[in-house]
Amino acid sequence: DGGITQSPKYLFRKEGQNVTLSCEQNLNHDAMYWYRQDPGQGLRLIYYSQIVNDFQKGDIAEGYSVSREKKESFPLTVTSAQKNPTAFYLCATLAGTAFFGQGTRLTVV
Amino acid sequence: GEDVEQSLFLSVREGDSSVINCTYTDSSSTYLYWYKQEPGAGLQLLTYIFSNMDMKQDQRLTVLLNKKDKHLSLRIADTQTGDSAIYFCAESPYNQGGKLIFGQGTELSVKP
Repeated sequence: DGGITQSPKYLFRKEGQNVTLSCEQNLNHDAMYWYRQDPGQGLRLIYYSQIVNDFQKGDIAEGYSVSREKKESFPLTVTSAQKNPTAFYLCATLAGTAFFGQGTRLTVV
Repeated sequence: GEDVEQSLFLSVREGDSSVINCTYTDSSSTYLYWYKQEPGAGLQLLTYIFSNMDMKQDQRLTVLLNKKDKHLSLRIADTQTGDSAIYFCAESPYNQGGKLIFGQGTELSVKP
């Protein structure tokens, strides 16, 4: 089945650690996006990539990093510089409209 | 600037109609979208409307677009408990390379 797979579904991070969230797609879409969701704030764009080996900062990129070495994959690293990383993270591809993965809930412990 | 505004909460009784409202700022958006998010899940595209349309109907869903006022609404007829979710409207400004700008989401609660 075509779709977007995010893993893991739940992730716990100790303060000071970097963690990487996975996003894989088999829809053959060029554009991929990472959003952060906090209650009452909707979705905020972290990073996006229109094509392999290229990516752009979104509205809240500080404390995050990404790579786009393959069309199918767009991993997001939450670094220790991100002061408030506890949130729900959504990966999406874009082809006319957005298609979303099921999300990863990251909690700092 | 880009901004999409929605009220945060709506509560209705089962069988009633629900109307979720949204205002947006960028008149260059070609399409406007409604997404549904169930608890702990990603967003699913519910419906969309092309900017030169006033209305689009899809089974129980009716989308109304007032371009002059930059107002978008989603009406759900005969609302069911399974419709309880967060609903997001989104615009796609012409000069943003296809990026979607989302509202804060409206949490719809359907009471039996």
